[in-house]
Amino acid sequence: DTGVSQDPRHKITKRGQNVTFRCDPISEHNRLYWYRQTLGQGPEFLTYFQNEAQLEKSRLLSDRFSAERPKGSFSTLEIQRTEQGDSAMYLCASSPRTSGTYNEQFFGPGTRLTVL
Amino acid sequence: DAKTTQPPSMDCAEGRAANLPCNHSTISGNEYVYWYRQIHSQGPQYIIHGLKNNETNEMASLIITEDRKSSTLILPHATLRDTAVYYCIVRSHNAGNMLTFGGGTRLMVKP
Repeated sequence: DTGVSQDPRHKITKRGQNVTFRCDPISEHNRLYWYRQTLGQGPEFLTYFQNEAQLEKSRLLSDRFSAERPKGSFSTLEIQRTEQGDSAMYLCASSPRTSGTYNEQFFGPGTRLTVL
Repeated sequence: DAKTTQPPSMDCAEGRAANLPCNHSTISGNEYVYWYRQIHSQGPQYIIHGLKNNETNEMASLIITEDRKSSTLILPHATLRDTAVYYCIVRSHNAGNMLTFGGGTRLMVKP
């Protein structure tokens, strides 16, 4: 399977704990995105990487959230001191970079986080 | 990015065409119309996009009105597997890299 993969698929944690999610993009896709989706809503953009550089961050990305893409390949999203409001589906997407044209974003299956 | 308006839900009989409307009356000249769909428990999936001409691919057709203020996504022969939430997104190629999803239309294909 050469699609975007995310791990874990489900995570249940207690309030105040830290969690980390991993995303493996499609090989050679140099753009990587993180979105968050709550029940009944469309996905909301969190942050974007081009290679290892984090180029955009949403206001939704509070200081408890940090994302990295150390070698321009896989990415991690960490949430510190989780709160119940962090319960959501966290989606990762990747796209290739081709100048002058739109590149569709390929989404992974998501990681569903439940904070108790 | 221009705001879009979609009906919250629609039903369609299996085998019939599903026509999903989207209003984007504030669209500007350099903004494209994109459609994604999200099947339950999966990430969104790109379907099609267009600027002003009608577009067709193996998944669907996109009809954009002449004034570009609205569009329709057409699934010519809907199957049960087309049951999903369909998102209409309007953005320019230079609008940054995020996709701004609205509430979408929940399409239920019924046997």
